[in-house]
Amino acid sequence: SAVISQKPSRDICQRGTSLTIQCQVDSQVTMMFWYRQQPGQSLTLIATANQGSEATYESGFVIDKFPISRPNLTFSTLTVSNMSPEDSSIYLCSVVGTSRQETQYFGPGTRLLVL
Amino acid sequence: QKEVEQDPGPLSVPEGAIVSLNCTYSNSAFQYFMWYRQYSRKGPELLMYTYSSGNKEDGRFTAQVDKSSKYISLFIRDSQPSDSATYLCAMSAGLGAGNKLTFGGGTRVLVKP
Repeated sequence: SAVISQKPSRDICQRGTSLTIQCQVDSQVTMMFWYRQQPGQSLTLIATANQGSEATYESGFVIDKFPISRPNLTFSTLTVSNMSPEDSSIYLCSVVGTSRQETQYFGPGTRLLVL
Repeated sequence: QKEVEQDPGPLSVPEGAIVSLNCTYSNSAFQYFMWYRQYSRKGPELLMYTYSSGNKEDGRFTAQVDKSSKYISLFIRDSQPSDSATYLCAMSAGLGAGNKLTFGGGTRVLVKP
């Protein structure tokens, strides 16, 4: 499976600011996803990061709040904009490899606390 | 009602016991069923996945799927303290690119020495 890293691993931010989270994979992958895991909750898909085109957002998530970039097949960023305490969460990227039979593999996550 | 239901636990067992985890779901389009293990402050780690109904065994882990009942299970034999983690079931209509995972809420497991 691919080795996935995320930066930063954690951060504490002030409300109203923005944070960009990076996801780096050690091999080319077909798809990258961004999830949110709120305290004590399961994973909720934010969006699919499409290489070379705009991300596809799930219901309840919008591009202005969570802009996503994916400039190549190994890298993506998620920005959490104009943060509020409700954005405190773990943000995870996941990837699907080049094999059709592979499922999703997750990065270690970014723990965000908004004060 | 959530698409995938999973008892949050915590489930506490003595070392060496069998851990039994399960999820129910409502979407009959789901064909692939996964189990992830998540240690505290880590990302989910894929344990195994099963296609359609049936059983799959991998070492101490056995996954079972009963599509007629929309019910899946994970059994951990000879449990170890290192198995203490949150276990997440997830499912999708297919594998690979373009197939979204729907997760259960996770069950926290504690294996006591």
